[in-house]
Amino acid sequence: DAGITQSPRYKITETGRQVTLMCHQTWSHSYMFWYRQDLGHGLRLIYYSAAADITDKGEVPDGYVVSRSKTENFPLTLESATRSQTSVYFCASRTGGGHGQPQHFGDGTRLSIL
Amino acid sequence: AQTVTQSQPEMSVQEAETVTLSCTYDTSESDYYLFWYKQPPSRQMILVIRQEAYKQQNATENRFSVNFQKAAKSFSLKISDSQLGDAAMYFCAYRTFYAGGTSYGKLTFGQGTILTVHP
Repeated sequence: DAGITQSPRYKITETGRQVTLMCHQTWSHSYMFWYRQDLGHGLRLIYYSAAADITDKGEVPDGYVVSRSKTENFPLTLESATRSQTSVYFCASRTGGGHGQPQHFGDGTRLSIL
Repeated sequence: AQTVTQSQPEMSVQEAETVTLSCTYDTSESDYYLFWYKQPPSRQMILVIRQEAYKQQNATENRFSVNFQKAAKSFSLKISDSQLGDAAMYFCAYRTFYAGGTSYGKLTFGQGTILTVHP
């Protein structure tokens, strides 16, 4: 089925480890986004991408790396995980055409860093 | 930079009653979009309703409607005839009108309001 999928759904890892969260969308949307959700903060933007090979920092990018070699994939990597990065991570995508097009979200990845 | 504030961390309502969730925002832009998203325990982010700032008419979607007060920068969500399935975290979000440039149409979210529905 068409949509946006994130994997894994749950992940537990240790501080200092590298971890990659995957995001795949089948709509060929131009724009993709990574958010983290923390209690009291809502969702905050980590990185975003307007197209393949075009990425830029959001509100809270420190400690994260992204790439977008293909339109449909937008992985998020924590190069050396820290406890403060324990959170729920959401990937989203949006078509580039028209105004006001809503973002469509994946089901999130709950990441726990011990 | 835009900010979005949801001042009610938690709200509760009896089944079949009406509840209103508050949202205020700060922006210097004249054109923009506002959204309400619902997040049930399954963690999905579900779009509930969307409002274009240049439209004076309040958006409605079945039992969901908004009270958009542009001058007051207020965007409240009214849920009528509340159902048990409405129980969720609700997020208000702001998006700049122009999707390109440095904004890329990113969303700025409020802190969220947890809605409990009592049978």
